[in-house]
Parts: sequence; C-alpha cells; structure tokens
Amino acid sequence: EVQLVQSGVEVRKPGESLKISCKASGYNFTNYWIGWVRHMPGKGLECLGIIFPGDSDTRYSPSFQGQVTISVDKSINTAYLQWSTLKASDTAMYYCARHMFGDFEHGMDNWGQGTTVIVSS
Amino acid sequence: DIQMTQSPASLSASIGDRVTITCRASQPISIYLNWYQHKPGKAPKLLIYSASTLQSGVPARFSGRGSGTDFSLTISSLQPEDVATYYCQQSYPAPRTHLTFGQGTRLE
Repeated sequence: EVQLVQSGVEVRKPGESLKISCKASGYNFTNYWIGWVRHMPGKGLECLGIIFPGDSDTRYSPSFQGQVTISVDKSINTAYLQWSTLKASDTAMYYCARHMFGDFEHGMDNWGQGTTVIVSS
Repeated sequence: DIQMTQSPASLSASIGDRVTITCRASQPISIYLNWYQHKPGKAPKLLIYSASTLQSGVPARFSGRGSGTDFSLTISSLQPEDVATYYCQQSYPAPRTHLTFGQGTRLE
C-alpha cells in the first residue's frame, strides 16, 4: 500500500527556519515525482514545486522559487520542504503528493495527511 | 505560466442534480488536465486524470471531458458526500511550464 506520512504541526516565529518531511512507503520512491501543495486558510490549492527523487530534478513554481527549498533523502525515502526565513504569510497546510506513472503529466494519486505550519510572533 | 480559470466559483445544488464545473486553460494543454475533490480537514483526492480517465475507486457518477483549452467535470446525480471544493489542475509537460490549479469551485 502506497503511503505518504508527513511530519506534525509546526509553530514558529517570523524569521525562523523550518524543514518539514514526507516519508514514503509501499513503492519505489526513486521512480515517482513528488509534489508539494499549499493550502492557505480560505484560499485555493497552489503547487510549490515538484522533485524527482531518482536524480533530484526539481522544478519550482515561479511564485515559490527562492522562497522554499525542496529536497529528498533517498536513503530513507523522504522528501522535504524547507524555509530559511519564515513569514507570517507562510501559515498554511502543506501537502506532499505522489504523481502517477513515474511522470508529472498525470495527476497526484496519493497524498500525505498534511502538515500545518503556523508562523506567528 | 499557464493560468487555469474555473467557473463557477461556487455552486449550490440539490441531491440528485446534474452538476457541471468548467475549467479553461490560458493556452492549449492537450488532455493534461486533472480534477480533484477537497473536503475540509482531508487531503485532496484525485477524481479524473488526462481530462477524462476516472481514477480507480471513484464513483462512475463523476466524469470529465475536454481537450485543448476547455474542460468540464460533471457529477451526474449529486450525492450528499459530494459536498466539497473541486479543483482542476494542468500538468502540461512542456519545458519550463509549471503545474497550476484552478481557483476552485465550492459545491454546496
């Protein structure tokens, strides 16, 4: 069974750094693109970027380029989303999700449970 | 970037109604269009991929159609559990393009 298990709720102050995780199991981690999706309170879904764990090919959506870093650790089947300097506007739910069929041309068929990030002074 | 425009932004319907949500891409994307259902407190769920292919386990009352720039998601007979926000997403595999969602349609 494919599973993506995300790290828990995080509460940080503006200016702090943060790294959240997404641990995959039940499939060959290196063969499927992983994407990160943001859901801000009362807003729609936004794609931050995607990464191919096999070679760490990473593509950021323009709005998030330079704002976040997406990475993987193949040895433990885990993808990461990190911020070096958090802002209050980063407060949101963040989901990781796996793309189907080993490419990113099809939908995201398996999702993590989401990580709530709260940034407040 | 490819922009996705959904309509309507919100929709109120009755049980048993036929409901259609539309999604328009700012440039042709062939059939690289996916639909998701998102309920509060839950992760989004893939309903349709490649514009019209029903994801495994999704009820047959959901269907998708379209190609190029104009797409639609139809629920043939609305059920209580279909109350959710629905999003289209383009996944056109061109160099330097990025995945983008529509702004969502809230179905009540």
